[in-house]
Amino acid sequence: EVQLVESGGGLVQLGGSLRLSCVASGFTFSDHYMDWVRQAPGKGLEWVGRSRDRAHSYSTEYAASVSGRFTISRDDSKNSLYLQLNSLKTEDTAVYYCARMRRIGSRYYADSWGQGTLVTVSS
Amino acid sequence: DIQLTQSPSFLSASVGDRVTITCRASQGISSYLAWFQQKPGKAPNLLIYAASTLQSGVPSRFSGSGSGTEFTLTISSLQPEDFAAYYCQQLNSYPITFGPGTKVDIK
Repeated sequence: EVQLVESGGGLVQLGGSLRLSCVASGFTFSDHYMDWVRQAPGKGLEWVGRSRDRAHSYSTEYAASVSGRFTISRDDSKNSLYLQLNSLKTEDTAVYYCARMRRIGSRYYADSWGQGTLVTVSS
Repeated sequence: DIQLTQSPSFLSASVGDRVTITCRASQGISSYLAWFQQKPGKAPNLLIYAASTLQSGVPSRFSGSGSGTEFTLTISSLQPEDFAAYYCQQLNSYPITFGPGTKVDIK
């Protein structure tokens, strides 16, 4: 059974930093792209970024709203995905989800999600 | 960036109703579209990928269609467990974007 467990969320001051983790099990983590998606309280879903797999040099993509402030990394030996959040703004307050990406043709679809971890940025 | 719009934003329906949600893209995205269901306090759940392919384990009352700029998600006979929010997502190009969502509520 695929499982994704996020952790590391919490209350942080404006301008502060936080590191989120997502531990995967039940599948070969190193073979998969992984995404981060967030959801502000009462709002819709927002794509944050992507980590490609080792075959694609672990390259990353980011939404413009977080580019330069957030960094995605992974440690395949620990089946773990990370999201480093720096220079946090109040608008970064959200539940952050990690998602496993499944390749279908030339695209990747989020077929499994974690339960999410809440980040609250206080002013 | 590719913008997605969904209509309606809110839908009130009864058990057994046929429900259709539309997602429109600001430019052509071929068939690179997914649909997700999200219940309160839960993570999203993939329903449809590649615009019209049903994800394993998803009931057959859900179906998707469309290509290019206009897509639909149809629930053929609404069940009590289907009352939730529904989001479309485009995978055509970066940045990946979601539609604003459609909330399906009980009439």
